[in-house]
Amino acid sequence: EAQVTQNPRYLITVTGKKLTVTCSQNMNHEYMSWYRQDPGLGLRQIYYSMNVEVTDKGDVPEGYKVSRKEKRNFPLILESPSPNQTSLYFCASSAGTGNEKLFFGSGTQLSVL
Amino acid sequence: RKEVEQDPGPFNVPEGATVAFNCTYSNSASQSFFWYRQDCRKEPKLLMSVYSSGNEDGRFTAQLNRASQYISLLIRDSKLSDSATYLCVVNPGGGNKLTFGTGTQLKVEL
Repeated sequence: EAQVTQNPRYLITVTGKKLTVTCSQNMNHEYMSWYRQDPGLGLRQIYYSMNVEVTDKGDVPEGYKVSRKEKRNFPLILESPSPNQTSLYFCASSAGTGNEKLFFGSGTQLSVL
Repeated sequence: RKEVEQDPGPFNVPEGATVAFNCTYSNSASQSFFWYRQDCRKEPKLLMSVYSSGNEDGRFTAQLNRASQYISLLIRDSKLSDSATYLCVVNPGGGNKLTFGTGTQLKVEL
């Protein structure tokens, strides 16, 4: 089954404690992206990757890191989480032309205390 | 002005009604347009792409008006299962940069 697998589904942590949210897709997609969704603000892009070892900033990259060492995986790293990073996070992938359907993971609800 | 604007609703409609949402975009060079559906706190899923000539998929019709820079989604014969948030998505300049609207909430009632 074609899917984007994102883990964990829920995460509660404390300020400053490094964390990683994993994302993996099994569709051989070149394009992968991370979004955060906050009430009244919609989905905002954090980082995206056009292919292995190619990453770029989205609209709200501050406080986040990503890596794309393999085509299927695109982890989101918060080196020192802060309360303003409490949000619902989605990973997505597509074949990569910009007009392709985006496949989303099931989301990670992160709370930073 | 926001790049993509939607009326947040909620739109409360009776089952069987016809309902329409609009979405305006600010970048006249925008090249592609989509409607996604999102159920509460779940992942967005593509409902339909929006083509210049307009397109239909069952009870759903999407239209693009480039002159006035808006897209619309029409849902006929609303079902309870249509209750969700509908996200307008615009590709403002080609490539893979998509801009999401904040969504319009639809509640279909008995």
